[in-house]
Amino acid sequence: SQTIHQWPATLVQPVGSPLSLECTVEGTSNPNLYWYRQAAGRGLQLLFYSVGIGQISSEVPQNLSASRPQDRQFILSSKKLLLSDSGFYLCAWSVHGGPTDTQYFGPGTRLTVL
Amino acid sequence: AQSVTQPDIHITVSEGASLELRCNYSYGATPYLFWYVQSPGQGLQLLLKYFSGDTLVQGIKGFEAEFKRSQSSFNLRKPSVHWSDAAEYFCAVGAHTGTASKLTFGTGTRLQVTL
Repeated sequence: SQTIHQWPATLVQPVGSPLSLECTVEGTSNPNLYWYRQAAGRGLQLLFYSVGIGQISSEVPQNLSASRPQDRQFILSSKKLLLSDSGFYLCAWSVHGGPTDTQYFGPGTRLTVL
Repeated sequence: AQSVTQPDIHITVSEGASLELRCNYSYGATPYLFWYVQSPGQGLQLLLKYFSGDTLVQGIKGFEAEFKRSQSSFNLRKPSVHWSDAAEYFCAVGAHTGTASKLTFGTGTRLQVTL
């Protein structure tokens, strides 16, 4: 069966510091991968998605970037964090397929920028 | 562009009572619709999904949802709520780019269950 991991689970960082969040998927090959952010009291916003190694699509302009160095690894980064980057970051995967793809979510990373 | 509206931010029901969570969507083509549940501090778990066919879909944990195209709705229901159902519920509509399916979520409904 497929499993999705995210780490760290919780992170507290000062403003202006760098960020690296990691997501890995086990039990599947060539998945689509997604990064979402959930701000306090709000829904989920799609930040990035990837359909293959080195292929990144950005959904909203922001202070963050994403990379996919390996087939089942998806990394969310920032060079300098802003207060507004605080939130709950969720990674998801889906089968690399058609319109009826279902996304499965990881446990999330709680980021607090002080 | 697609959008999802969940008009109820917070709902409180008694254990054993029935539940209906509302979801309205806007999408120009055939919608692919999902309900997810999130417990505090956790990721999202898929409850059920609708792609085509029977408009009443069954999911996990005794939940069901009915797709009504004429009303652009996909409401989630459960006949008898358990205390463990207290969580936040998200409705989402999927749009395919040709290579990936992108989800647009509603802002969620927080369910509180009283004993």
